[in-house]
Amino acid sequence: GAVVSQHPSRVICKSGTSVKIECRSLDFQATTMFWYRQFPKQSLMLMATSNEGSKATYEQGVEKDKFLINHASLTLSTLTVTSAHPEDSSFYICSAPRTRSGDTQYFGPGTRLTVL
Amino acid sequence: AQTVTQSQPEMSVQEAETVTLSCTYDTSESDYYLFWYKQPPSRQMILVIRQEAYKQQNATENRFSVNFQKAAKSFSLKISDSQLGDAAMYFCAFYQNAGGTSYGKLTFGQGTILTVHP
Repeated sequence: GAVVSQHPSRVICKSGTSVKIECRSLDFQATTMFWYRQFPKQSLMLMATSNEGSKATYEQGVEKDKFLINHASLTLSTLTVTSAHPEDSSFYICSAPRTRSGDTQYFGPGTRLTVL
Repeated sequence: AQTVTQSQPEMSVQEAETVTLSCTYDTSESDYYLFWYKQPPSRQMILVIRQEAYKQQNATENRFSVNFQKAAKSFSLKISDSQLGDAAMYFCAFYQNAGGTSYGKLTFGQGTILTVHP
């Protein structure tokens, strides 16, 4: 079946640096992808909707200048955490719709970001 | 906005026994989808079961079944013959189409950590 990949799976960076996380749809095209953030033992919180060929839509409270999203092609969306700080340490998950109605999602395996 | 509530932060069950996880949601719409997702320690989200709101019949997937009460806005998950591999965090989720060419958004509950005792 269709798969969504994420790279890297883990990243450690220093405070103040930027980190890019890639989300790829393998063997299917995804005009829309979603980015979530998850803290330990908590739920997934939608950060933004990534749209191929147009600007991302951010959820309320998410700083769009800090979390830059680029949907470069029909199979790739990237999330860049700019000027990362320790409070940005979290688990980031992307997903892409697997049905035309969009109700069911393929989820990536996630990226664990640790900012020192 | 839709909300999803899972009132059981943690549940435990003996292997081979049955456990039910609770979920309630709030919406004013009549057409939507409900899901249960499993997140094992690997943290990969796995779809367990999907229910379309317009279908009255409860969805089942092998040992997993739901009790969908639309009027009560309740969507519980029953796991029968529990196995050690069922240990995970379980999320109830709600989805409604946005209309047009846009996709809607998944709204997740807080999650329930399920422990399975041998």
